Amino acid sequence: GAGVSQSPSNKVTEKGKDVELRCDPISGHTALYWYRQSLGQGLEFLIYFQGNSAPDKSGLPSDRFSAERTGGSVSTLTIQRTQQEDSAVYLCASSLRLVISATPGEQYFGPGTRLTVT
Amino acid sequence: AQSVSQHNHHVILSEAASLELGCNYSYGGTVNLFWYVQYPGQHLQLLLKYFSGDPLVKGIKGFEAEFIKSKFSFNLRKPSVQWSDTAEYFCAVTPSYGGSQGNLIFGKGTKLSVKP
Repeated sequence: GAGVSQSPSNKVTEKGKDVELRCDPISGHTALYWYRQSLGQGLEFLIYFQGNSAPDKSGLPSDRFSAERTGGSVSTLTIQRTQQEDSAVYLCASSLRLVISATPGEQYFGPGTRLTVT
Repeated sequence: AQSVSQHNHHVILSEAASLELGCNYSYGGTVNLFWYVQYPGQHLQLLLKYFSGDPLVKGIKGFEAEFIKSKFSFNLRKPSVQWSDTAEYFCAVTPSYGGSQGNLIFGKGTKLSVKP
């Protein structure tokens, strides 16, 4: 399809386990964003990629969270030693953003991965 | 730090009523402003955006928003709502310049329920 896809759609994991969440952006979109949507906190920015580099990691909540992007396309968000407060919907978005100073393009969001930590 | 406030957590209206959802942001510089909508079971999608120029912007499905710089506001309006407008609405802001440009800062959202 032409939209942003994320997998898995749902993930239930035990506290302390590591999880990997995947995002496939729209083909040709150079910028990729991760957000987290949780009850009470709303939508929070986590990290942004331009190509394969992450100029802004300011939103990552702790060093248990990391993300990478390879080939300017697929991105994975990894949460190590999951905690119950990590339970949330993790959203990925992508946009056209050719240079850092350009007006950012519209962000297209994926369906999200619902993570439940038991 | 930038922040976005949405004044109403849940708004309930009857069909054909007029809608105004409040949004205020906190940031000292030039900003880009957005309203996103999330219909039940669907992805977040862009409703409208303001980058520059005419402060009254029109979006999809008859929605419009007005940027009032002096009030740091970007309220969403629709003259006559329909049952199909039932959704959650999010206001978002991003600085126009700098390293954080493009990273959306969202409000906590307003749930709109429209009674048929």
